[in-house]
This record gives sequence, C-alpha cells and structure tokens, in this order.
Amino acid sequence: NAGVTQTPKFQVLKTGQSMTLQCAQDMNHEYMSWYRQDPGMGLRLIHYSVGAGITDQGEVPNGYNVSRSTTEDFPLRLLSAAPSQTSVYFCASSFEGTTGELFFGEGSRLTVL
Amino acid sequence: DAKTTQPPSMDCAEGRAANLPCNHSTISGNEYVYWYRQIHSQGPQYIIHGLKNNETNEMASLIITEDRKSSTLILPHATLRDTAVYYCIVRFRGSTLGRLYFGRGTQLTVWP
Repeated sequence: NAGVTQTPKFQVLKTGQSMTLQCAQDMNHEYMSWYRQDPGMGLRLIHYSVGAGITDQGEVPNGYNVSRSTTEDFPLRLLSAAPSQTSVYFCASSFEGTTGELFFGEGSRLTVL
Repeated sequence: DAKTTQPPSMDCAEGRAANLPCNHSTISGNEYVYWYRQIHSQGPQYIIHGLKNNETNEMASLIITEDRKSSTLILPHATLRDTAVYYCIVRFRGSTLGRLYFGRGTQLTVWP
C-alpha cells in the first residue's frame, strides 16, 4: 500500500523560482493538508482541503497556493520562493470521521538559496 | 482549538513506563485529545485519541483527568525505538480533521 506519497524528497531552489510539491494518496481520503516544519519547531499548518474543489488556509498560508481538483492529489505551489520557505514539508490525509488518524507522507526537504 | 502545554523533554530507561504529561486547561466538552509522535525527521505517526474515558491500544494508554484539563500518555514498556517527539493536540469535534495544530511537543529519550 502506497499511502501518502510526496515528491520530490529533496529540492534546492534559487530565490524567486517557483515550484510545486506533489502529494498523492491512494486511500480515498477526503481530508488532505500541508504542514511545514522548521528546525526545533513543531508542525505548522499551511493549507488544508476537506474534499475536491474545497481548500482553506491554515496557520501560515502566505507564499503558498493549493488546489484540489481530484480526491487523490493535493499539490502545494510556491509562487516565488524565498529563503524563509526553507523547511521540511509534510502532506497528510485522513478519512472524515471519528478515528482521528492523520496519515503523513515522508516529507519533502526544500532549500531556498 | 484549545492550546496544549507539554514539557520540552523527558527521558526514560528502557523497559520502564514512560509517562508523558499534557496540560489543556481550556479544553471544552467537545474537544478530543490526540497524541502523535515523530521519529527523527519522519512524518508524524498517530498514537491514540480520547474524549473523556481512558483509552488503550496496542501502542499506548491515554489517561484523561476527570476535569479533562490534563492527560497523560503512557508507553508501558519503553524501547529505544520509542525515542521521538510526542505531540499532544486537542481538536474540536466539529472541526475539520485536517486542521490540527501541532506545538513543539516533548522530546522523549529512551536510554539503555
């Protein structure tokens, strides 16, 4: 079972470049979300989605865009990368319901020079 | 969602019980308590959650005080592989599951 798959695992960008972090899940989960984690910090919510066509902002949305055209995919776009966006990014998904279990991907480590 | 307070670090001898505390004094009646852990730089892993009653699964036990203002995650027989950052989170029952807010958590170190 693939679960939640993130690509790429590592990426180096120059300031001002744009890129998309991909996230795909094969569990038919309605909920998907993106977090960033900086050294010594917990996870901070960037954007989340409650289903195809529906997205909303989290705690730190500035500089990022998302879309949800299918249930399976939830890409995160950096429009103009800045050094402050150097971080590890995690995508997560879950069923709507009471189990409470978020399934996380392995993370994407992004460095912006 | 209510905020939580956890100690930044704890340690535990291998084979002993690890008891990780969490304060959530502003929790409301509809808010659940969740625990996740993160080993190294891997994605966080769900451990357990509860509302009022104590809960137990194959990984851990969750003890919630009667006033629900605090809880304790118990790893009954800690192993070296339990060394991780443990996050305590409270979530309003009606909020979207994806909107979980993680704090800095507790770094648990299990030593031989």
